[in-house]
Amino acid sequence: DIQVTQSPSSLSASVGDRVTITCRASQSVSTYLNWYQQKPGKAPKLLMNVASSLQSGVPSRFSGRGSGTDFTLTISSLQPEDFATYYCQQSYSSPWTFGQGTKVEIK
Amino acid sequence: QVQLQESGPGLVKPSETLSLTCTVSGGSISTYYWSWIRQSPGKGLEWIGYIYSSGTTNYNPSLKSRVTILTDMSKNQFSLKLSSVTAADTAVYYCARGSGDYNAWGQGILVTVSS
Repeated sequence: DIQVTQSPSSLSASVGDRVTITCRASQSVSTYLNWYQQKPGKAPKLLMNVASSLQSGVPSRFSGRGSGTDFTLTISSLQPEDFATYYCQQSYSSPWTFGQGTKVEIK
Repeated sequence: QVQLQESGPGLVKPSETLSLTCTVSGGSISTYYWSWIRQSPGKGLEWIGYIYSSGTTNYNPSLKSRVTILTDMSKNQFSLKLSSVTAADTAVYYCARGSGDYNAWGQGILVTVSS
């Protein structure tokens, strides 16, 4: 199985901050890397797929980049509604696997 | 806008079979792939498997010997059966649309395995 590791596991930031979350795969996943946002008690929400393709309705302050094994999710200016847990997931090789999550908290 | 809703028992006894149903509204299950994913504090998010309308399935090898996913086109539903459950199968179970990435999810259902 491809292991997917996120860093950091948690971070504290203020409204307006630029935040970057890193995801590393144990082997190349090309660009088959997806990002989700999850709020407490809710299902994950797909933010972007194939590393950088923003889903409809997702604010443009979210961006993703990377290919191969290293990927980043960046929030350019953190908003109050962005405090949540973020997960990456590879869909290159079955079984699809998720990172352990990065919790973004209010500083 | 497609909506998904999980249903089934919230409590299952060890060694028994967990059975869940996902009802899809606002779209036909005859298109798209449909998946089950679970989330537990210990193992995080775990992909269980998917099915296509043709009956094609793909299961996580770690669960393959115990998992069955089926569709019921007449009811626009798909289902999950997980046999021989243990406490390690306690989790929130989600149904979702997609095979590799998931752009629509149910709200999730907590299933506890306990006697």
